[in-house]
Amino acid sequence: DIVMTQSPDSLAVSLGERATINCKSSQSVLYSSNNKNYLAWYQQKPGQPPKLLIYWASTRESGVPDRFSGSGSGTDFTLTISSLQAEDVAVYCCQQYYTTPITFGQGTRLEIK
Amino acid sequence: QVQLVQSGAEVKKPGASVKVSCKASGYTFTNHYIHWVRQAPGQGLEWMGIINPNSGSTAYAQKLQGRVTMTGDTSSSTVYMELSSLRSEDTAVYYCAREKVPGTPFYYMDVWGKGTTVTVSS
Repeated sequence: DIVMTQSPDSLAVSLGERATINCKSSQSVLYSSNNKNYLAWYQQKPGQPPKLLIYWASTRESGVPDRFSGSGSGTDFTLTISSLQAEDVAVYCCQQYYTTPITFGQGTRLEIK
Repeated sequence: QVQLVQSGAEVKKPGASVKVSCKASGYTFTNHYIHWVRQAPGQGLEWMGIINPNSGSTAYAQKLQGRVTMTGDTSSSTVYMELSSLRSEDTAVYYCAREKVPGTPFYYMDVWGKGTTVTVSS
């Protein structure tokens, strides 16, 4: 199974500042035949189901604010929130879909400093 | 609007079985695979498996093979997840989630049910 490891486990950022969350896969999730990274990011607020933010490592889901962006390739990926808003307080997790079983990172808790 | 509505919370004794339902609406039910994902208290997300509502074909996480069964009913646009031989470690919130890309499995999930809490306790 591909192990997804996120860092840090928790993060406190001031309102309006940049937040950066990292995700590392135990093997590459880049499929060479189409040059796509099989990686998604989700946001989960307390008591709610996850919400899809990003897929193909950098494609923003419809309706997701453009302050959210994804980058990276191969085994190392980053979710960036360019200017933190109060409503962004949540747990963020990455997911690989390169191979089954689908696996998720352990999650990063984002709070306001 | 597109939504997945799950059945209510369950409390079960160790060794029992639980069956959770997930009713889809707002889209063509047979066009999208449905995943099941669970989340133990304070833990991350764990993928359990996937069902093709059109054909009924399934794929399960190896860890749960033999204990999990996913089925679908096209007449009611509902999928079901049954987990047997329950143990305390199965206590979790169980989510159904729609595969975003029509007709393909094993990608990413764009619509989620609100979750069903299953508690296993003697």
